[in-house]
Amino acid sequence: DTGVSQDPRHKITKRGQNVTFRCDPISEHNRLYWYRQTLGQGPEFLTYFQNEAQLEKSRLLSDRFSAERPKGSFSTLEIQRTEQGDSAMYLCASSLVWDSLNSPLHFGNGTRLTVT
Amino acid sequence: SQQGEEDPQALSIQEGENATMNCSYKTSINNLQWYRQNSGRGLVHLILIRSNEREKHSGRLRVTLDTSKKSSSLLITASRAADTASYFCATAIIIQGAQKLVFGQGTRLTINP
Repeated sequence: DTGVSQDPRHKITKRGQNVTFRCDPISEHNRLYWYRQTLGQGPEFLTYFQNEAQLEKSRLLSDRFSAERPKGSFSTLEIQRTEQGDSAMYLCASSLVWDSLNSPLHFGNGTRLTVT
Repeated sequence: SQQGEEDPQALSIQEGENATMNCSYKTSINNLQWYRQNSGRGLVHLILIRSNEREKHSGRLRVTLDTSKKSSSLLITASRAADTASYFCATAIIIQGAQKLVFGQGTRLTINP
């Protein structure tokens, strides 16, 4: 079981730089989710995909954020012109196809972003 | 915004004791899920209870759901030091035919040996 893989595990960047994170979901999962988590808080929903279609974006996702899942497999999350408030753990999760209304999410270990 | 509120925010007990965490939510749900997170790691799914279920067991875990009170509880029996982690409830709502999970702020559980 390869699980959900996220890369990189840690990213330190200077304010104003662009960063891109990658998520590889479990291979047979067609739903992919991005969440953001700050210290001491629960994960906050950002966006999710069904195959390559992006179905919903949270209001938390400003115009500086963009997510893609071009072939319905891996996904990327890009943050442009990073701000210190973007510092957080970015979590990716995927879910199984067969019962998508009652499916647990399988999470990766996240990418921890620090904006200096 | 986060729908779920968890209580307590932090809990510290002795190994062997039972730990109970509570979760309240605001809107109608399709199911409610509990997750565990060790420091610096991703979340791990523990148990899912559907809106038409009232109680569910998995090993040392027992989850209850009261949809009339919009609340759930997670009981961990005979706690172990390895149970030390943060525990989150997540309510599942259906948007465009797919479920979206909204997480609470979590309960930080410490098991003292």
